[in-house]
Amino acid sequence: DAKTTQPNSMESNEEEPVHLPCNHSTISGTDYIHWYRQLPSQGPEYVIHGLTSNVNNRMASLAIAEDRKSSTLILHRATLRDAAVYYCILRDSGSNDYKLSFGAGTTVTVRA
Amino acid sequence: DSGVTQTPKHLITATGQRVTLRCSPRSGDLSVYWYQQSLDQGLQFLIQYYNGEERAKGNILERFSAQQFPDLHSELNLSSLELGDSALYFCASSGVGGTYNEQFFGPGTRLTVL
Repeated sequence: DAKTTQPNSMESNEEEPVHLPCNHSTISGTDYIHWYRQLPSQGPEYVIHGLTSNVNNRMASLAIAEDRKSSTLILHRATLRDAAVYYCILRDSGSNDYKLSFGAGTTVTVRA
Repeated sequence: DSGVTQTPKHLITATGQRVTLRCSPRSGDLSVYWYQQSLDQGLQFLIQYYNGEERAKGNILERFSAQQFPDLHSELNLSSLELGDSALYFCASSGVGGTYNEQFFGPGTRLTVL
């Protein structure tokens, strides 16, 4: 699996935007970029995914660099409930391998 | 609530013992995945089943086995337990095919081996 690199931790103030970077310089043309998060004492939950174009949903936005070697997950207005570990994961749509390969992720702390 | 249920929530047992963890996927989901989360290894994929058949294997020990039943629920069997098997075990499910399909995770089973 192509590897991703994320900062270990980030802090934010409540109601401010949070920009979570992810580097994936060895990404292949068939790799989708997925983001999951894990709130304390819970299982991971899907946040968003994309291939080439920027994506928006009710939880977040995903901005993908033109060369696809990096991406940024954007939480527009952080709340205390957004404090979690965020994982950036690449999934190859050209294979039958559907597993999620989690790295260490970025621990997001939100200050009230 | 993801729609995926796991039982039991907590399990405390002794070394050498055998335990069974149970997972019920979301209604209609054919794929079930098992993951292990420990402090030193992070979240690791163990095994995937699709409609009763084993589809993919990850870092699953030979002491561990799983199956998926005709009603699509799955069980993870852990035997000859060691202290290092203490971890959170998550089950996830997803719909038909596609690496773009999101996986829905259950709340996990916390296993403590004493």
